[in-house]
Formats: sequence, structure tokens, C-alpha cells
Amino acid sequence: DTGVSQDPRHKITKRGQNVTFRCDPISEHNRLYWYRQTLGQGPEFLTYFQNEAQLEKSRLLSDRFSAERPKGSFSTLEIQRTEQGDSAMYLCASSNRDSLNTEAFFGQGTRLTVV
Amino acid sequence: RKEVEQDPGPFNVPEGATVAFNCTYSNSASQSFFWYRQDCRKEPKLLMSVYSSGNEDGRFTAQLNRASQYISLLIRDSKLSDSATYLCVVILPSGSARQLTFGSGTQLTVLP
Repeated sequence: DTGVSQDPRHKITKRGQNVTFRCDPISEHNRLYWYRQTLGQGPEFLTYFQNEAQLEKSRLLSDRFSAERPKGSFSTLEIQRTEQGDSAMYLCASSNRDSLNTEAFFGQGTRLTVV
Repeated sequence: RKEVEQDPGPFNVPEGATVAFNCTYSNSASQSFFWYRQDCRKEPKLLMSVYSSGNEDGRFTAQLNRASQYISLLIRDSKLSDSATYLCVVILPSGSARQLTFGSGTQLTVLP
């Protein structure tokens, strides 16, 4: 399977715990995005990488959130001291940088529930 | 004001009906436009790009009106399998890494 893969698919954690999610983009794609989606809303931008460089972070991303893409391939998103408001679907997407009209491919997401 | 706004619906239509969704965007310099489809509890997938001249893909027609800053999607002869949430997506001006900006989505249910 050469699509975007995310791990884990589901995560239940207690408030205050740290969690880390992984995204493996399509191998030739150098753009990688993290989005968050809550029920009834569209995906909300969190952060963006071009290769290993993190080029933008949303103002919505508090300092409890950090993302890395150390070798320009897979990426991790860590949430520290989770809060109930962090419960959401976390989506990763990748695309090729060559054209603005290039489709972004999404992974199936990691559903986080903070109890 | 949200950068991309859509009527959330829900739209409940009978099979065979024609249904249209609209989407407005706030940044006049936005460059590219798409419709994505998202099935319940699944990831978004590209339905079609939206070009200035309008474009059609089978039963689906997308239109862009830059002067009024809106995008539309028309579905003809709707099928049960068209039931999904349709997301309007805009790419902001060059220089912003925030490439994909989504609307909240319009929910469509096609009824037998």
C-alpha cells in the first residue's frame, strides 16, 4: 500500500498524559500537513512541512503541541499534558510540491479521545 | 469571518434529484479551488478541482466565480452512494504554507 498511513488509528488517554502520533506520507511527496477535525467541522490546519523543514504552524497550535519530520520522510505529532479539548481526529496529508493543483492525499487519521 | 464558508446542510434529497452546493471564500487572491468528499468516519478524498472556466466530471459540475468569490458544485441524477460530506477547499495565496483551507462541509443524504 503506497498511500498515507497513520498510527495508531485510535488512542484513548487520560487527561494530562502525553501522546505521540506517527504519519508516513507517500514516499515521493515532500509536503506533509497535519490537520485536526472535530465532529461537524472541516479539517483545521495545524502545521506544514516541506521536506524536514517545518514552515508554518497554526496560531491554534498551543505550545503543548510539537511536530517533527526529522529526515523528511515520516512525521510525528506529540501532544503534551493532554486536555479533553484535544479530543479529535488528527489527519495527516501529503502532496507533491510541483503544482498548486496537486491533490493532497490524506491518511485515515488517528482518533484521539481524552478522558 | 471564516476564510471558507459553506452551508452545513443537511441536504436530504431523493435519488435522481439535482442538488447544488455553494461555497464562498474571503481572500480574493486565493489561487486554487477543490471539492473534497468525506464519507462518515473516513478521510477526505479529492472529488474534483475547480477551474475558472468550469469543469464537469460525469454527473458532477464545478463552477468558480472569482468576481463574487464563490464556488459551486452541482450533482445531477444523485445516487445513494453520493451521500457524504462535501468539503470546499481553497489554496491561499503563494507564500503561505497554509496551503489547504477547508470549509466546514455540507452534508448530503440521498434517500431511496
